[in-house]
Parts: sequence; C-alpha cells; structure tokens
Amino acid sequence: DGGITQSPKYLFRKEGQNVTLSCEQNLNHDAMYWYRQDPGQGLRLIYYSQIVNDFQKGDIAEGYSVSREKKESFPLTVTSAQKNPTAFYLCASNAGGPRSNQPQHFGDGTRLSIL
Amino acid sequence: AQSVTQPDIHITVSEGASLELRCNYSYGATPYLFWYVQSPGQGLQLLLKYFSGDTLVQGIKGFEAEFKRSQSSFNLRKPSVHWSDAAEYFCAVDSGNTPLVFGKGTRLSVIA
Repeated sequence: DGGITQSPKYLFRKEGQNVTLSCEQNLNHDAMYWYRQDPGQGLRLIYYSQIVNDFQKGDIAEGYSVSREKKESFPLTVTSAQKNPTAFYLCASNAGGPRSNQPQHFGDGTRLSIL
Repeated sequence: AQSVTQPDIHITVSEGASLELRCNYSYGATPYLFWYVQSPGQGLQLLLKYFSGDTLVQGIKGFEAEFKRSQSSFNLRKPSVHWSDAAEYFCAVDSGNTPLVFGKGTRLSVIA
C-alpha cells in the first residue's frame, strides 16, 4: 500500500545535539511538508518542498534544516539552535503542491523529547 | 493574514447524539476547505474536502460539512456519534496564496 513512513516513532535528544527525523513516501507526490504539533497549538509549518532540490521555509523554520535529494525522501534535522524541540513532528505529502486542492497525506509522526 | 478559528477546544457528547464542530476562516475568496481527524499518537486522516459546487459535502465515517460563504464557515456534522469518533478534529484552509493553514483543533470526547 502507498503511504508515508516516518521513523523513528520516538526520539530523544541530548542538549546540544542535532537529530534527524526520517520521512519517506511512495505515493509519487511532488510536494512534501514538515509540521510541528504542540498541545493546543494545531499544526505549524516548518518547511515544505515542491520539487527535488528545492524547499521553502514555513512559519517556524528557525532551528531546523531539511534536504530534498530524492523525490521520495524529505528528512528534517532539528539542530541545537532549536531551544524547545520537544514536540510531535508530522510529515505530509500531496500531488498538487502547497497551493492546490489536492489533500495532504500524513505519516504517523515522530515524538521528539529532550533528555 | 489568513486564519482559521475553531472556537471549541473540547466538546463532550453522548454516544448516539448529534455533533457539530465549528470552523470559521478569514479570506476574501472561496478557499479550499478540509477537515481532518487525528487519533492519539497518530497522523491526520482526511475526512472530507470542499472546492466548489454543492455546499454540502459528504465524507468518510458518516461525516458531512456545509460551506456557508456568508458566514465564512465550514462546520462539520454527524447525526449520531459513535464511541470510536473520539479524537481530535482539525479544520484546514488553503487560500491559494499560502500553504495550508490549520485551526488549533477540537478534541471530541464521547460518553456512554
């Protein structure tokens, strides 16, 4: 079945450490997204990518970085510059891009915590 | 700036009762409108979407939503709630100018 796979499901970060969250999709979607979810805050857009080797900042990009070397993959790195990284991170993709009527499909998320 | 408001943070309904979750948005033109559902620790699943045409749209799991342009609303309804509907519900709007914007969600509890 086609879908989005996020790994790991749980991740722990030490102070001053960078960590990378994986997101892979086999839906053949051009666009991919990373969201951060905090209790009572809804979803906030971190980064998105419309095509390979191109990505744009979302509303809360500071302290995060991404790459898009392959269509199927859009990893997110949470850097040590992100001072409050504890959150639930969701990856999504869609066929039409960020300003279209194509609904986004979501992975099951990665929960990141600080040790 | 565009925004999406879900006025109710938490709603509790009895099993078998009807449900309405509210969503209001602020845009000039008719945007693309979506409702998603999220179970604890899971990703989001699309319930339904509205782009144009008939303002009453049907979705999965017996949900429906009605677009009202005059009220800038897209409320989600279900005639009879089941215990398995307990989850968090998100309204999302795409204006065509910026990426998808989500409301802060409404948590639904279902009691026997």
